[in-house]
Amino acid sequence: EPEVTQTPSHQVTQMGQEVILRCVPISNHLYFYWYRQILGQKVEFLVSFYNNEISEKSEIFDDQFSVERPDGSNFTLKIRSTKLEDSAMYFCASSRDRYPTGELFFGEGSRLTVL
Amino acid sequence: SQELEQSPQSLIVQEGKNLTINCTSSKTLYGLYWYKQKYGEGLIFLMMLQKGGEEKSHEKITAKLDEKKQQSSLHITASQPSHAGIYLCGADRGSEKLVFGKGMKLTVNP
Repeated sequence: EPEVTQTPSHQVTQMGQEVILRCVPISNHLYFYWYRQILGQKVEFLVSFYNNEISEKSEIFDDQFSVERPDGSNFTLKIRSTKLEDSAMYFCASSRDRYPTGELFFGEGSRLTVL
Repeated sequence: SQELEQSPQSLIVQEGKNLTINCTSSKTLYGLYWYKQKYGEGLIFLMMLQKGGEEKSHEKITAKLDEKKQQSSLHITASQPSHAGIYLCGADRGSEKLVFGKGMKLTVNP
């Protein structure tokens, strides 16, 4: 069964370092998303991406964050200079169709720990 | 105020028992998504409901969206230890994002 895959599963980094989280969405999907979940808190939307551009972003997604689809398969989230409060589980998601018809599938997540 | 409220916050049941969890929105929904999450792991898609009064079933799990599209329930029949986890509802309000509830932690004792 097709699935969204994410790497790395866990990354530990020093504050101020750049981090890139990678995702391979389901192959025939066109809409891509990043969400995050700080430990013990709700899953929060970060950004949506379609047709090689950001379609919506949240207040959390400030200038330190960027997304890219460098080739036909990968979708990346970059955090330019990590802060302690960036420690969270980051989930990539993809859907074939746009809301409200699209079933949205999530990956297993990448746990980021900022020291 | 909570945009999406899930109840109960947690539930412990004996294997074989039926249970129902709820997700209530203060605003009309375009759609409602149900996911299951094991602690510290990814979200597993269960069901998506769009139409008022819609009901979907998969194996022993049934989800319904009320006519006003402001409340959804998830019912598990004859629960098993494999049903244990955190159940999340996510609201589609017609934008690009889902807004999630806090989740409901289910424990099923053998």
